[in-house]
Amino acid sequence: KQEVTQIPAALSVPEGENLVLNCSFTDSAIYNLQWFRQDPGKGLTSLLLIQSSQREQTSGRLNASLDKSSGRSTLYIAASQPGDSATYLCAVKEYGNKLVFGAGTILRVKS
Amino acid sequence: GAVVSQHPSWVICKSGTSVKIECRSLDFQATTMFWYRQFPKQSLMLMATSNEGSKATYEQGVEKDKFLINHASLTLSTLTVTSAHPEDSSFYICSASNPSQGFYEQYFGPGTRLTVT
Repeated sequence: KQEVTQIPAALSVPEGENLVLNCSFTDSAIYNLQWFRQDPGKGLTSLLLIQSSQREQTSGRLNASLDKSSGRSTLYIAASQPGDSATYLCAVKEYGNKLVFGAGTILRVKS
Repeated sequence: GAVVSQHPSWVICKSGTSVKIECRSLDFQATTMFWYRQFPKQSLMLMATSNEGSKATYEQGVEKDKFLINHASLTLSTLTVTSAHPEDSSFYICSASNPSQGFYEQYFGPGTRLTVT
């Protein structure tokens, strides 16, 4: 059974810092990996999607990498801002179109 | 494109009653819809997968007679929580996809907060 783990569970940083969120998964037979953002009491916003054949994706200040063989992904946020404060969720898509989510990293960026 | 809505955004009901949550794909036809549940400070857990016109597939441990899912059209799926209890209080989120039309990702709705008193 696929298990997705995110480290750290929570992170508090001053504005302007670069930071890395980690995601690991136990079964490398994935279709893709996706990073989401969730604001309190809200739905999910897709940030980046990496296909299993890709190594990384970039969007603005965000960069996500994928090492499928070792079961790891990282989300790099450059020059963090208070508006980046949210919960970041990692999810792997298994064959069969099912998403398995990690528990998330709660990020707080202090101004 | 690929907008998914949910209604209501929040609902309070009394223990023992039933409540229906709607999930709609607004600008595409969703052949597959997914229902997730999220408890406070926990991640999303898939409850069931529904394909238009067929019975939903429930994940292990999810009571199909308690959580009734209907996906009667390509733009609407409903989740009915029957005989709700306080432990059913949670955040319910749906997602929709249609790989045959290029919507390979799951597009998520904004969620419904259910509180059972």
